Amino acid sequence: QQQVKQSPQSLIVQKGGISIINCAYENTAFDYFPWYQQFPGKGPALLIAIRPDVSEKKEGRFTISFNKSAKQFSLHIMDSQPGDSATYFCAASDTGGFKTIFGAGTRLFVKA
Amino acid sequence: ETGVTQSPTHLIKTRGQQVTLRCSSQSGHNTVSWYQQALGQGPQFIFQYYREEENGRGNFPPRFSGLQFPNYSSELNVNALELDDSALYLCASSLQGVGETQYFGPGTRLLVL
Repeated sequence: QQQVKQSPQSLIVQKGGISIINCAYENTAFDYFPWYQQFPGKGPALLIAIRPDVSEKKEGRFTISFNKSAKQFSLHIMDSQPGDSATYFCAASDTGGFKTIFGAGTRLFVKA
Repeated sequence: ETGVTQSPTHLIKTRGQQVTLRCSSQSGHNTVSWYQQALGQGPQFIFQYYREEENGRGNFPPRFSGLQFPNYSSELNVNALELDDSALYLCASSLQGVGETQYFGPGTRLLVL
């Protein structure tokens, strides 16, 4: 019940294309869903986050789509660039909770 | 405003030894969480400290322990090191009660031989 399942494990996208990463959760108490970006040798950095009261959130080229009934959420990276090549983690936590559960990560490579 | 810092950056230990990792939280943050990230995996929650008290713990044995100091910096101690403890240890700071955004440090890479 505490798991967050992330797919795909790895993704190769052409420059200018759309990168899509999917996550699913089971615990309905989760109410905060962040996405983190991690470059080699660095800690994860918050990219964008959403709460279940909205179905979509967009910040620049990054969009989260959220389906509360299906308990799924996804990250879309529009106009993907080589600089976007990194590992992306979805995560989930509940308000007031102390624990953030991370997905296993998706390694994105954007070909120039 | 300074970000989250961790020391050391890299560490090599042998099985059975003890290790202490350190974290300085972002200015103004009162909560520190520690995570273990094995190679190719997502971070796994170890525990969280808020105002010098442990505020929650993940599925890690008691040989993983921690401290938080009055200035909100923190230490992670691991006793009786095992080969499987080899990982990147991440510290994240946040401000309790003001959203859940966590700011991660660069991590300490621990290798147990």
